[in-house]
Amino acid sequence: DVKVTQSSRYLVKRTGEKVFLECVQDMDHENMFWYRQDPGLGLRLIYFSYDVKMKEKGDIPEGYSVSREKKERFSLILESASTNQTSMYLCASSFGPTSTDTQYFGPGTRLTVL
Amino acid sequence: LAKTTQPISMDSYEGQEVNITCSHNNIATNDYITWYQQFPSQGPRFIIQGYKTKVTNEVASLFIPADRKSSTLSLPRVSLSDTAVYYCLVGPGAGSYQLTFGKGTKLSVIP
Repeated sequence: DVKVTQSSRYLVKRTGEKVFLECVQDMDHENMFWYRQDPGLGLRLIYFSYDVKMKEKGDIPEGYSVSREKKERFSLILESASTNQTSMYLCASSFGPTSTDTQYFGPGTRLTVL
Repeated sequence: LAKTTQPISMDSYEGQEVNITCSHNNIATNDYITWYQQFPSQGPRFIIQGYKTKVTNEVASLFIPADRKSSTLSLPRVSLSDTAVYYCLVGPGAGSYQLTFGKGTKLSVIP
């Protein structure tokens, strides 16, 4: 079974802090994704990566950056956390980059910014 | 990108068949339709995918009319464990990395 793990289930940070969210997948997938999920808004794509060191902006990249130094690991970085970044963050991976390729999701990190 | 519209919520009694419709009027020729299921405190999970007509697996059926401007996810004889949010996803089979989830339909199964 594909396993996608995220570094924390719950995280509390203060405004202005730098925040790192880590995601690791064990299936040698080329593609990895970061979403945020908010009530009433569904899942929104922040960034995705289709190869090591490669990235593309999603729908809402502002305030975020990403890093993919190794194939299995994809990090989401909040350079200076703000309260409007309080959300559930979900990481996913897939073998291919398109909607015909099943995305496997991690359990999510619930981030609270105070 | 094809925009999707789904009902915000639905209620159903146990044992009934549930149909959730997703509208995607500007679906492109090479777009596929995919549905995911999400339980509370978990990430979404793939249910079913199709391009046209009907697709069935052990969990659900997906009906897509000839014009492909909508699709219907059918869950036979739902149980309490089917209470979840169901997402309709429309996106290209090739040529683009951009993927967008709809806002989802919260299905509540009532005993």
